[in-house]
Amino acid sequence: DTAVSQTPKYLVTQMGNDKSIKCEQNLGHDTMYWYKQDSKKFLKIMFSYNNKELIINETVPNRFSPKSPDKAHLNLHINSLELGDSAVYFCASQSRGDEQFFGPGTRLTVL
Amino acid sequence: QKEVEQDPGPLSVPEGAIVSLNCTYSNSAFQYFMWYRQYSRKGPELLMYTYSSGNKEDGRFTAQVDKSSKYISLFIRDSQPSDSATYLCAMTADSWGKLQFGAGTQVVVTP
Repeated sequence: DTAVSQTPKYLVTQMGNDKSIKCEQNLGHDTMYWYKQDSKKFLKIMFSYNNKELIINETVPNRFSPKSPDKAHLNLHINSLELGDSAVYFCASQSRGDEQFFGPGTRLTVL
Repeated sequence: QKEVEQDPGPLSVPEGAIVSLNCTYSNSAFQYFMWYRQYSRKGPELLMYTYSSGNKEDGRFTAQVDKSSKYISLFIRDSQPSDSATYLCAMTADSWGKLQFGAGTQVVVTP
């Protein structure tokens, strides 16, 4: 069983479109994250939720909106996609004091 | 200037050699230090986790933290081609939450 799963794995779309990425964890963790990894492999935190409550919100354009329907799921919706949004997006989950487990990533390409 | 600096490489070594990786950081509040390994088109996975200064060894891997110099290192002994990956350092001020990552160093171990 995959601990942290993301769908879709690949996403190719046109500029201006709206898209969503979904994340699910079956580890029973309370905290989930979204990270963005750019073409130079730099991994930067975007958001964090703890028990469905937003606790970290980095300087991210408000076109990005995370949603956590329950503590096992954290989705990322992106409006009006731009070329610069092309990246790999990773979801991660964590139990307090433990390591963060990362999902396999969603490779987003905006044309 | 980034809070965490890491040489992106690539670092190419022959099989059996020692791989030496390092990161420097500027935030003296960081207390928890991690090394993640990321294979191509996969999510990062935790290799080593160290609290405060000192050394930690796990098999062929040794992590060192020197908080006075704000410098952390990872050594891989008897390197294998399967060690070829990108190695990311990460650190945080509290035991869970916002990780600051380095840019990652690409390591290539040649047979």
